[in-house]
Amino acid sequence: AQTVTQSQPEMSVQEAETVTLSCTYDTSESDYYLFWYKQPPSRQMILVIRQEAYKQQNATENRFSVNFQKAAKSFSLKISDSQLGDAAMYFCAYRSAHSGKIIFGKGTRLHILP
Amino acid sequence: NAGVTQTPKFQVLKTGQSMTLQCAQDMNHEYMSWYRQDPGMGLRLIHYSVGAGITDQGEVPNGYNVSRSTTEDFPLRLLSAAPSQTSVYFCASSYSEGSGNTIYFGEGSWLTVV
Repeated sequence: AQTVTQSQPEMSVQEAETVTLSCTYDTSESDYYLFWYKQPPSRQMILVIRQEAYKQQNATENRFSVNFQKAAKSFSLKISDSQLGDAAMYFCAYRSAHSGKIIFGKGTRLHILP
Repeated sequence: NAGVTQTPKFQVLKTGQSMTLQCAQDMNHEYMSWYRQDPGMGLRLIHYSVGAGITDQGEVPNGYNVSRSTTEDFPLRLLSAAPSQTSVYFCASSYSEGSGNTIYFGEGSWLTVV
């Protein structure tokens, strides 16, 4: 069975600084997809970024980028120029290309310090 | 286009009662799933479906039942509610083809079992 581990329950970063959130996963599959989702206090789930496992190039979306290390099964999220609106719970997610099943890590709560 | 609609948004149940959480999507998504979110536990997969007539268990299926008679609807049934089922429940859907597609979430259903 696949698992997703986020080892940092909480993190803090100064506004305008850069922060990296860690995610590791375990799978025996070779084809899968990885996601980062943001959940603000409203509990809405917002897609931040996604990565296809077959792509070597790391995904980027404006201030958000990932460091995808397939061999190490690592998928970290880097947030540059942190803004107060980035404060939220961040979830790493794994999607099996075989079964379609999607599983999430336990989340990292990110605080932005003004 | 309503997206993913969950009802009810809030519900209080007595131990032993049964109820159904409704989930409907109007995007013709093949994949639908139910998660529960508890403090410090992230989103845990209860059941999922990759198409009408097809369902499978997730990480925490005990005490829950699902069926998928249409593409649009994926109800979650609590057969005999227990206090341990107090949680926030999220329904999610996406296309299965090209599994890197965005996962859409409902707004959540807050369930309290007393």
